[in-house]
Amino acid sequence: EDKVVQSPLSLVVHEGDTVTLNCSYEVTNFRSLLWYKQEKKAPTFLFMLTSSGIEKKSGRLSSILDKKELFSILNITATQTGDSAVYLCALHSGGSNYKLTFGKGTLLTVNP
Amino acid sequence: SAVISQKPSRDICQRGTSLTIQCQVDSQVTMMFWYRQQPGQSLTLIATANQGSEATYESGFVIDKFPISRPNLTFSTLTVSNMSPEDSSIYLCSVFTSDYGYTFGSGTRLTVV
Repeated sequence: EDKVVQSPLSLVVHEGDTVTLNCSYEVTNFRSLLWYKQEKKAPTFLFMLTSSGIEKKSGRLSSILDKKELFSILNITATQTGDSAVYLCALHSGGSNYKLTFGKGTLLTVNP
Repeated sequence: SAVISQKPSRDICQRGTSLTIQCQVDSQVTMMFWYRQQPGQSLTLIATANQGSEATYESGFVIDKFPISRPNLTFSTLTVSNMSPEDSSIYLCSVFTSDYGYTFGSGTRLTVV
């Protein structure tokens, strides 16, 4: 069974800090790893990673995948209070089934 | 990306009753999914609802408790039946398209009292 483990489960930082969120996984047939931001109810898409070593970047957020060591990290630099949210890592494994397996998420709180 | 309208946004229901959640997509999609997120937990897939076939339920979820309809390529409903306080969760629909990947509805926050 596919498994996704995120760490830390929660994190409190001050504005301007840089944070690194971790996601490790176990999968039988890897297709992609996705990161989402969840502020209220609906997750919003951040990144999709399919290849090792290629950094995806969007503004202050970046992410990278290591398929050999089976993990991914999400970095947020110069954090702002608006970055406060739950960050979810999800695994899309192979076959014709397009379902996602989610980790428990990291609750990030950015204090002014 | 696909835009999904999910209703209701929230509801408070009495135990023993049922609630039907609707998702309307602004384009035709084959693959639609229903997730549950219990308090403090991550998203768990309830079922996959592809148009033209019966919904496929994940382990721990049964059709009698969570009946799903998928009458066409733009609409689906999930019913939470005979509710108990343990059903208090956020329920989310999601679609997959090859152009935009996965998109989520705005979610339904259900409280059962």
